[in-house]
Amino acid sequence: KAGVTQTPRYLIKTRGQQVTLSCSPISGHRSVSWYQQTPGQGLQFLFEYFSETQRNKGNFPGRFSGRQFSNSRSEMNVSTLELGDSALYLCASSTWRSYYGYTFGSGTRLTVV
Amino acid sequence: DQQVKQNSPSLSVQEGRISILNCDYTNSMFDYFLWYKKYPAEGPTFLISISSIKDKNEDGRFTVFLNKSAKHLSLHIVPSQPGDSAVYFCAASVTNAGEAFGDGTTLTVKP
Repeated sequence: KAGVTQTPRYLIKTRGQQVTLSCSPISGHRSVSWYQQTPGQGLQFLFEYFSETQRNKGNFPGRFSGRQFSNSRSEMNVSTLELGDSALYLCASSTWRSYYGYTFGSGTRLTVV
Repeated sequence: DQQVKQNSPSLSVQEGRISILNCDYTNSMFDYFLWYKKYPAEGPTFLISISSIKDKNEDGRFTVFLNKSAKHLSLHIVPSQPGDSAVYFCAASVTNAGEAFGDGTTLTVKP
């Protein structure tokens, strides 16, 4: 079956702009999580959605927001981009509780100039 | 304050030998722990997990050990193969909460 699909793969934006990233989970997976990866910072948890509801949120400013649709697809939005937002943004999906681990997408590489 | 720490950013071992990757955590509420493997330009891939009620879980060449009293987790790879060269992330979670990840350890297995 198809894996987790993230679009676009690469994105270049200017400081101050806003951006929307998309994630299509594995069919049947209802939980979608978003992570930010920067060099030396590991994977920082942004938020998790389950059945269209935000279930958990990490320590990121309000400029970072997300939503999940009825088909479990999820979007993440970052407004008023800052240079420090340049990172790899990873989406992961699971059935409900990830005892068997999340399945990650390949990520969206965002560069803010 | 980072709840999951991987204090070794890199590890190099010879093919055929054992690789031991370590992870420490601070939150005693974590109820399961996972290891992920990541190749360049790809998302992390789930490798192995362990529930907090166990102290060992084995899957082929990969074994995860959990020492709850020390809040320490380790991944053993025996024997190590060149294809195991990747970044390994340790993760921990409380039920119905997002996973907290370490910064990763880059493993290099030399032929």
